[in-house]
Amino acid sequence: EVQVVESGGGLVQPGGSLRLSCAASGFTFSSHWMSWVRQAPGKGLEWVASIKQDGSEKDYVDSVKGRFTISRDNAKNSLYLQMNSLRAEDTAVYYCAENSGSSVDWGQGTLVTVSS
Amino acid sequence: DIVMTQTPLSSPVTLGQPASISCRSSQSLVHSDGNTYLSWLQQRPGQPPRLLIYKISNRFSGVPDRFSGSGAGTDFTLKISRVEAEDVGVYYCMQATQFVTFGQGTKVEIK
Repeated sequence: EVQVVESGGGLVQPGGSLRLSCAASGFTFSSHWMSWVRQAPGKGLEWVASIKQDGSEKDYVDSVKGRFTISRDNAKNSLYLQMNSLRAEDTAVYYCAENSGSSVDWGQGTLVTVSS
Repeated sequence: DIVMTQTPLSSPVTLGQPASISCRSSQSLVHSDGNTYLSWLQQRPGQPPRLLIYKISNRFSGVPDRFSGSGAGTDFTLKISRVEAEDVGVYYCMQATQFVTFGQGTKVEIK
C-alpha cells in the first residue's frame, strides 16, 4: 500500500524533546524531497522543514531553526524530526509529506502537545 | 521565501454550481528541472489534508474529475465543476519548487 504513517507524538513539558518518525511505503522514497508540515489547532498548514533525496540539503522555518532537526534513512524508508526545546507554540498535528505531490497522499499525522 | 496568496478566503457555493479558487505566487514556480511544483489540497472538517492536484493539473489517484487545476508561472486556479456536499472544507495551494509554502486556505461552504 502506498502510504506514509507518522508516529512519535505525545504530551511533553515545555523545554522537553520528542522524535517524530514517518514510515513510507509503496513508492520510491529515496527519489523524493520530503517535508514535515504542522497544523496548530484551528489554524492553517505551516511548513516546518524539508530534506533533499540524499539528505545533503535541509531547510527549516525560522521559528524552529536551532531546535528541530530533520533527517532521513533511505534504507529504512523513514523520515524523522528531532524536536528539542519545545515550546507551547509547537503544539500541533505534524504531518510528513512528499513534496512533489505525485507519489503518496498525506497521512493522519501525529499530535504533539507541549504543556505543563 | 515564496509567498502564496489565495483568493477568495471564503466561498459560499450553491450545490451543483461551479466554484473557483485562485492562487498567486510571489515568484515563478517553474523549477530548474522544468516542472512546476504546485499542488492543491482539500481538508474536510476533522480530517487530515488530502491531495487533489499535483504539478498544476494532474489529478491524484481517486480524485473525481469535477476537480481540475490550471495555470502557469505565478497564477494558478482550482475549479470544481459542480460542487457536491462532500466538497465542503478548506482548500490549500502548496508550492514545493523552493522548499514548501502554503496559501492561507479557502473555506468552501454551501449556501
